[in-house]
Amino acid sequence: DTGVSQNPRHKITKRGQNVTFRCDPISEHNRLYWYRQTLGQGPEFLTYFQNEAQLEKSRLLSDRFSAERPKGSFSTLEIQRTEQGDSAMYLCASGGNSRTGELFFGEGSRLTVL
Amino acid sequence: DQQVKQNSPSLSVQEGRISILNCDYTNSMFDYFLWYKKYPAEGPTFLISISSIKDKNEDGRFTVFLNKSAKHLSLHIVPSQPGDSAVYFCAARSGGGADGLTFGKGTHLIIQP
Repeated sequence: DTGVSQNPRHKITKRGQNVTFRCDPISEHNRLYWYRQTLGQGPEFLTYFQNEAQLEKSRLLSDRFSAERPKGSFSTLEIQRTEQGDSAMYLCASGGNSRTGELFFGEGSRLTVL
Repeated sequence: DQQVKQNSPSLSVQEGRISILNCDYTNSMFDYFLWYKKYPAEGPTFLISISSIKDKNEDGRFTVFLNKSAKHLSLHIVPSQPGDSAVYFCAARSGGGADGLTFGKGTHLIIQP
């Protein structure tokens, strides 16, 4: 399967714990995005990588959130000191040089903070 | 401030009829518009797109219409099939910077037999 892969698919944690999600994009894609989706909402942009450089961060991304993309391949999104409001689906998407800007999404990592 | 709006949270259509999903936007800098389809417990999958310089794009049963003066686009599905039941997201690209997509809240399409 050469699509975008995310793991874990589901994480349940207690408030205050740290969690980390991993995303493996489509191998030839240089653009990688993290989005967050809550119930009844569309995906909301969190951050963007061009190769290994993190070029843009949303103001939704508080200082408890950090994302990395070492070597421009896979990416990790870490949430420290989780809060119940962090419960959401975290979606990773990658894109190449398509004229339309089409992004390919993974199946998401669902976070439940108790 | 929502730049992409889908004002219908849900839409119910009979199998075989036409489904019309609507989307409005406010940002004149958007250069591409895309529709994504999402099944439960899956990520969104790309369906069809349209450039801001076009007014129509067709792909099989799916057609997207863009009315730039009204800042409005619509997705037509004809004929509607049971497998079309899903949440449809309208998305727009700003054409600069991160080139990321801004999404609407989605419309849940239900195809009734």
